[in-house]
Amino acid sequence: NAGVTQTPKFQVLKTGQSMTLQCAQDMNHNSMYWYRQDPGMGLRLIYYSASEGTTDKGEVPNGYNVSRLNKREFSLRLESAAPSQTSVYFCASSPSRVGYTFGSGTRLTVV
Amino acid sequence: AQSVTQPDIHITVSEGASLELRCNYSYGATPYLFWYVQSPGQGLQLLLKYFSGDTLVQGIKGFEAEFKRSQSSFNLRKPSVHWSDAAEYFCAVGATGFNQGGKLIFGQGTELSVKP
Repeated sequence: NAGVTQTPKFQVLKTGQSMTLQCAQDMNHNSMYWYRQDPGMGLRLIYYSASEGTTDKGEVPNGYNVSRLNKREFSLRLESAAPSQTSVYFCASSPSRVGYTFGSGTRLTVV
Repeated sequence: AQSVTQPDIHITVSEGASLELRCNYSYGATPYLFWYVQSPGQGLQLLLKYFSGDTLVQGIKGFEAEFKRSQSSFNLRKPSVHWSDAAEYFCAVGATGFNQGGKLIFGQGTELSVKP
């Protein structure tokens, strides 16, 4: 019973490099989310997918793209990483309004 | 626009003392409210939630929260704090269309330290 799995757990990128953060859930949840966490700012929504085949922008989508590959997987891509994208990224899933299940996070540093 | 404010960035309490963490929200309709806890280096774990009904809700680990519509508040309480409660606590509100997409808006977080 893995819940929400994020890979990788840690990553260091150089400015301008690209990478994809992977997220998979095994709970058959419809909705999935990507948040970033920065000190003193709480969690801010980047993108979300209310159901398979749909994606929508959140509060801070600039510089990111997402793909809802299937019901289980929701990936976040940084096309050209910038130091301002240094953060901890959390993926979450939810069946409906009962609340989220979070992954353990990806700590990304852009130098 | 919906928003959540946690006025206290950092709180220190002695072990065994009572705890109250404040949360104020801005939302036009009846809100969906949540409290999450994050231990260092970990993801967030749901403590409790409020949708409707009894305004005093019980959660895991001995926590409770009270919804006060007149004050737009949803404060988290615990009668006796344990050292293992040291963590960061986040209040969240379900945004418009929550039933159809489940977006949550989070507060800035309150870091709790526990003195022996």
